[in-house]
Amino acid sequence: EAGVAQSPRYKIIEKRQSVAFWCNPISGHATLYWYQQILGQGPKLLIQFQNNGVVDDSQLPKDRFSAERLKGVDSTLKIQPAKLEDSAVYLCASSFNLIRQTNNEQFFGPGTRLTVL
Amino acid sequence: GDSVTQMEGPVTLSEEAFLTINCTYTATGYPSLFWYVQYPGEGLQLLLKATKADDKGSNKGFEATYRKETTSFHLEKGSVQVSDSAVYFCALVNTGNQFYFGTGTSLTVIP
Repeated sequence: EAGVAQSPRYKIIEKRQSVAFWCNPISGHATLYWYQQILGQGPKLLIQFQNNGVVDDSQLPKDRFSAERLKGVDSTLKIQPAKLEDSAVYLCASSFNLIRQTNNEQFFGPGTRLTVL
Repeated sequence: GDSVTQMEGPVTLSEEAFLTINCTYTATGYPSLFWYVQYPGEGLQLLLKATKADDKGSNKGFEATYRKETTSFHLEKGSVQVSDSAVYFCALVNTGNQFYFGTGTSLTVIP
């Protein structure tokens, strides 16, 4: 079974530039998550999709971050414009969720390491 | 709100030593609890999980027991190996399918 795919693996940009990350979840997984992991910290949820709908985006800085999952499969996360503090690893994860079932395992992609100069 | 608190690292142990990484949680309802491991340069991988009180999750010699009375899910291993060197994350998922991660504990095992 193929895992969660992410690209690119690394990205270096200058502040105020734009960047986009792509994620393809495991086939059949309804729920997709984007996390931000700053060096030395645990992953912080940015946005959670159930199929193509947003379940939780309460911690997404909406003035500069956006995400979409138009067809309920793959997803893109965009930062525009980037700031120095956006330097982090951006993790995508997916799970085969059933409603009100709490033992759903998340499968993580390898992440995209973003450096903002 | 829901949250997870892990013991701070880094932790350095000699090979074959006993490992404990403490994790406590705050959550309404009945969350499921997880330990994830992140090896250098890799993504997070599920190590073990427990879905209800008194459940014990185990994998690769690691164990953790879901203790509702102490709201804890401590990770233990009786004899660590160099290959166990990684960062370990405790996490919970609540009834809204929202995940919360701890800050991670870095483990280095020296020969």
